[in-house]
Amino acid sequence: SQQGEEDPQALSIQEGENATMNCSYKTSINNLQWYRQNSGRGLVHLILIRSNEREKHSGRLRVTLDTSKKSSSLLITASRAADTASYFCATTQNSGGSNYKLTFGKGTLLTVNP
Amino acid sequence: EAGVAQSPRYKIIEKRQSVAFWCNPISGHATLYWYQQILGQGPKLLIQFQNNGVVDDSQLPKDRFSAERLKGVDSTLKIQPAKLEDSAVYLCASRPGSEETQYFGPGTRLLVL
Repeated sequence: SQQGEEDPQALSIQEGENATMNCSYKTSINNLQWYRQNSGRGLVHLILIRSNEREKHSGRLRVTLDTSKKSSSLLITASRAADTASYFCATTQNSGGSNYKLTFGKGTLLTVNP
Repeated sequence: EAGVAQSPRYKIIEKRQSVAFWCNPISGHATLYWYQQILGQGPKLLIQFQNNGVVDDSQLPKDRFSAERLKGVDSTLKIQPAKLEDSAVYLCASRPGSEETQYFGPGTRLLVL
């Protein structure tokens, strides 16, 4: 079963605008990660936020986490055409020892128009 | 640093045929994962290896899917016999023991006719 649910399913913006994607999940987590997938390629890790963190930045990316609402958001500022991709949130539950299991949502398809 | 390698990149087979996928993880990564990604969905974990041992195969359809990682490095995933609903991208990922980030290969796109 999929733990995370991204919203919206698809988002189309103009270059230079900001893009916000949301993720909701159901059970307690160790951390939440965001991945990007370009058409026809594997996933690339963007950022990880731990359950005891509320906000994290990396370049043009800003991630927030609200564990009380079981939700996270990914903000991409000053978007570029190259940001066009599918974005997935993935939650990690520690199944014991070093067994970190990632559970992905269905993703948000972001299209940045030049 | 070389990334996760997968082959083949594309495969077309008819239903009831067999198919195998190969994955070479990043050197030194003890943990290896196989995911199935159906069009329009997120990846779903099929099996997780720690070195050459299986950690989690709870979502692997064991009547037709099998996977091995005999020497704790390369891994193969096999489907026998394939069904139409197995059409998907099969992703391999690896992770070093010190991180929680997974590193993904480009995937193998399987089409079952």
